[in-house]
Amino acid sequence: DVLTQPPSVSVAPGQTARISCGRNNIGSKSVHWYQQRPGQAPVLVMFYNSDRASGIPERFSGSNSGNTATLTISRAEAGDEADYYCQLWDDSGDVVFGAGTKLTVL
Amino acid sequence: QVHLVQSGAEVREPGASVKVSCKASGYTFSTYYIHWVRQAPGQGLEWMGWMNPDSGDTNYPQRFQDRVIMTRDTSITTAYLDLRGLKSDDAAVYYCARAGSTSHPYYMVVWGKGTTVTVSS
Repeated sequence: DVLTQPPSVSVAPGQTARISCGRNNIGSKSVHWYQQRPGQAPVLVMFYNSDRASGIPERFSGSNSGNTATLTISRAEAGDEADYYCQLWDDSGDVVFGAGTKLTVL
Repeated sequence: QVHLVQSGAEVREPGASVKVSCKASGYTFSTYYIHWVRQAPGQGLEWMGWMNPDSGDTNYPQRFQDRVIMTRDTSITTAYLDLRGLKSDDAAVYYCARAGSTSHPYYMVVWGKGTTVTVSS
């Protein structure tokens, strides 16, 4: 099944950005999030829906319920500009990525 | 400190094969699954499969099952991705990534810097 992400999200500096990841009954799965800056490898930011990866600021938080998982970035900064991907582990043992969301801080 | 160091860029003709390596250091190689993920220019992340470096067990998504082989050499803590029958749309950056837990491959904590594969005649 496909993970549906908005292609782009814009946020003003200091405001809150929310990036969604949708799938039927995604709340029954664990969702993980990656940040990818241009020209760089992805970096894990959130795992098991709401556990922050090492070195990730507390401004980053995650939730997952019903048909939508959400990565929330509070007090957005210019350095948060990146592509963000959600990912889960399917019942078949396969990894599934969302198509990614480009976050712009303007 | 955990590192995954990948081999350098490759250029191949259509129909050829490519083998990308991923040298692990800073942890016990056999205890964490290794994933391979690729990214075509301007596109998103595409998962290609995982390997258990201890047993050699692998899991590939159906779209890659007839073209991908993942192997490892535990003596030199290196994982390999072999992709056969290259097509123009296989041109991408190929990443190896280490799982976050010793007991399952659910997510990826450490990533290599990527290997660019160009497919051109």
